[in-house]
Amino acid sequence: DSGVTQTPKHLITATGQRVTLRCSPRSGDLSVYWYQQSLDQGLQFLIQYYNGEERAKGNILERFSAQQFPDLHSELNLSSLELGDSALYFCASSDGDGPYEQYFGPGTRLTVT
Amino acid sequence: EDQVTQSPEALRLQEGESSSLNCSYTVSGLRGLFWYRQDPGKGPEFLFTLYSAGEEKEKERLKATLTKKESFLHITAPKPEDSATYLCAVLPDSNYQLIWGAGTKLIIKP
Repeated sequence: DSGVTQTPKHLITATGQRVTLRCSPRSGDLSVYWYQQSLDQGLQFLIQYYNGEERAKGNILERFSAQQFPDLHSELNLSSLELGDSALYFCASSDGDGPYEQYFGPGTRLTVT
Repeated sequence: EDQVTQSPEALRLQEGESSSLNCSYTVSGLRGLFWYRQDPGKGPEFLFTLYSAGEEKEKERLKATLTKKESFLHITAPKPEDSATYLCAVLPDSNYQLIWGAGTKLIIKP
């Protein structure tokens, strides 16, 4: 158990809908990272927050947004969902502002039908 | 362009048969190289960080080494529970984003 929690575990929704994925980092960690993993594209970095502020941005679509709250939990919002957004979404955390040793949550499996 | 390539894509070994996985990288400067293990449907699990050429780290049957252009993950006398996908990631000097390899799927047959 990494200490990172993610909810929900599974999510099935229709195209065009909007969903919110939630992540709680390990106790004491200030950075949260979001990743997308699909079969054909491997692990893709989406975005990082450090202590409430956006720190780095990767291949995140404009339809996706995230935020980190004062209690350090984070939410990833996915809107106007398309079939291609079906994937595993992982959250990871680390104690500093750099992506050094990251601890990953169990993931949210999103299926868009 | 910064790039990370892992080989082979898949490796099947008999229990007890030692081997190595390769992670080659092309970056302007290296802040760190990381190895993770991922079981199917689960999040990656951190294994090692290597910072400079010549550095080695060990954990149970795993040993990671680093040169200026590549890293090896040596697996000694593997067991079936070592079966997983092993991911390599590199943190370049140029930015603060990890560059991930596609992984090596390791299967250890009893």
